[in-house]
Amino acid sequence: GDSVTQMEGPVTLSEEAFLTINCTYTATGYPSLFWYVQYPGEGLQLLLKATKADDKGSNKGFEATYRKETTSFHLEKGSVQVSDSAVYFCALRNRMFSGGYNKLIFGAGTRLAVHP
Amino acid sequence: EAQVTQNPRYLITVTGKKLTVTCSQNMNHEYMSWYRQDPGLGLRQIYYSMNVEVTDKGDVPEGYKVSRKEKRNFPLILESPSPNQTSLYFCASSGTGSLSGAYVLTFGAGSRLTVL
Repeated sequence: GDSVTQMEGPVTLSEEAFLTINCTYTATGYPSLFWYVQYPGEGLQLLLKATKADDKGSNKGFEATYRKETTSFHLEKGSVQVSDSAVYFCALRNRMFSGGYNKLIFGAGTRLAVHP
Repeated sequence: EAQVTQNPRYLITVTGKKLTVTCSQNMNHEYMSWYRQDPGLGLRQIYYSMNVEVTDKGDVPEGYKVSRKEKRNFPLILESPSPNQTSLYFCASSGTGSLSGAYVLTFGAGSRLTVL
């Protein structure tokens, strides 16, 4: 079945460092891809998305490009801040799912800790 | 403010004592869904609802029930909770239609349930 694999955390960085969180997926058809962020004690918030191959999603300095040839959607940010400390989830949505048209398949999540 | 509201946020209960986690959204969304979040597993879909009186099982429905009598509410019912249902639960909703972003899920803040 469809699945999402993320790099294991935690990822610990100093402020202003470059961030990459790897995400690869397995899916039939042409899924949409998402990154969600979960700040401590809060629900998930959509960070960015891409709906077709070669699309680049971006928001708040974060970017991810939908690479169909490598089945990847890696999250990057050029200069992280302490306020970016959170858990990041990669997810896919596939219209072929039986779990409703808006079912998301999530990766396990990657915890990011940024220190001053 | 557009939001998904879950209650209770925290609950400790004992095996076999029926409980209900409520979920309400104020965005007139048709689609609603419940997920559970467990370490190393990400979020997994429990149940979903495409509209009033239309519900169906997700990937991990065992031990749970739902109902959708009103469009805004989608309660999650644990008839006889067991320790393996100790988890963090999220309710989410989205609209439908062709507008870009209409299908983006909005999540509640989560309900942390402990079953002793």
